This record gives sequence, C-alpha cells and structure tokens, in this order.
Amino acid sequence: NAGVTQTPKFQVLKTGQSMTLQCAQDMNHNSMYWYRQDPGMGLRLIYYSASEGTTDKGEVPNGYNVSRLNKREFSLRLESAAPSQTSVYFCATGTATLSGNTIYFGEGSWLTVV
Amino acid sequence: AQSVTQLGSHVSVSEGALVLLRCNYSSSVPPYLFWYVQYPNQGLQLLLKYTSAATLVKGINGFEAEFKKSETSFHLTKPSAHMSDAAEYFCAVHFFGNEKLTFGTGTRLTIIP
Repeated sequence: NAGVTQTPKFQVLKTGQSMTLQCAQDMNHNSMYWYRQDPGMGLRLIYYSASEGTTDKGEVPNGYNVSRLNKREFSLRLESAAPSQTSVYFCATGTATLSGNTIYFGEGSWLTVV
Repeated sequence: AQSVTQLGSHVSVSEGALVLLRCNYSSSVPPYLFWYVQYPNQGLQLLLKYTSAATLVKGINGFEAEFKKSETSFHLTKPSAHMSDAAEYFCAVHFFGNEKLTFGTGTRLTIIP
C-alpha cells in the first residue's frame, strides 16, 4: 500500500459538519477510486475518476462529492455528514482500463459521524 | 444481472487444515476475477487474479484459485492453514463493459490453533 496515501486515518465528525478525505498516489496510474466498507456489505464504489479531469458516480454517490485535482490526487468531500456515513473509506488506483489489471488500495480512513 | 456472491461470511478451520473460500459470479461473459485479503486495520492486498490465461491461478502466501466456467466459480484454496492466514477475504469481479470492480461481501477466516 505504499503507493497510495490517505489522510486522515481517523476522524470523528458531528452530524452536519463537513470534511474532505485526501488521497494521493505515486504510481502514475490514471484511474482513481473511492470505496466505502461496511460490515456485511463488502466494498461499494462511491465515485471514480478514469483520468485527470473526469469523475463518475459509482454505486453510492449520494452525500459525497469528489475532485480530481491532478493525476496524483483525488479527494472525497462530505458536505454535511450524517451518521449513515460512518464507515471505513478506501482510496484505490489502477491503470486506465481495468481489463484484469490490479487496483491498489490505501490503508483506509476510519470516519465516525456522531 | 451481473453479481458476485461469497458463500459464508465466516469460515473457521484448524491450523494445518484445508482452506476453501467460495466465490461465484453471475455473468454471461466470463469476467476477470480477483481475490483480495484484508488484515485488521489495513487496506486490501491482492492475493491473485484470473485474466483468461491459465484457469488455475497461484497467488501469494500459498493460496490458489481455480476458474471454472461451467460452475461460474472462482474458489480460493490453501492446502494447509496457518495462523497468519486469519483475515478477511474478498472476491472481486471486473465485468466486461463495466469500469468498476464489484466486490463480494467478504469472508472472515478464523484459524483454530
């Protein structure tokens, strides 16, 4: 996981607060992804970016926004946090088209909304 | 509809016993298939992947998986479990025409001493 760095690792928010999760990669990958992990539900895709300047919704985009700042960085923003957004968030990167190529994960960001 | 199913959210095996974690997919076209492992408080690490070459795929840490088209399965096995194998395992599928990786719900593997 050395190539994908997420910050912060832990965060506690109050309902209604906003925050941004940062992700940076040094793997020179075109595609970047944000997933959330919840018990019994596996990983669900929130948003992804196939290349710099493009973003697309995944399975569960509601309540989130993203920015692909440059090739290296892909941030996830919660504008008004809700308890349902308590989760572990993973950033991942991959080559431009999956086609069997591996995606690489960061170590996760634990978010609690109270 | 395209989907991936992992049978058994929790599996326990004795140290030294066979590990078998099940993964089935639903798709008319064989997809690319992956197994990832997640140790506590860490991200996901690739164990192995199937990309339409050999149907028996060998991965890290002694794990292997066999793609069976007729059964739409990609089960993960290891002949002899080790305590260090205790983790959560995710099957993931890249369906053709879909830019995202779809994950199963995960199987938590416990090793009994």
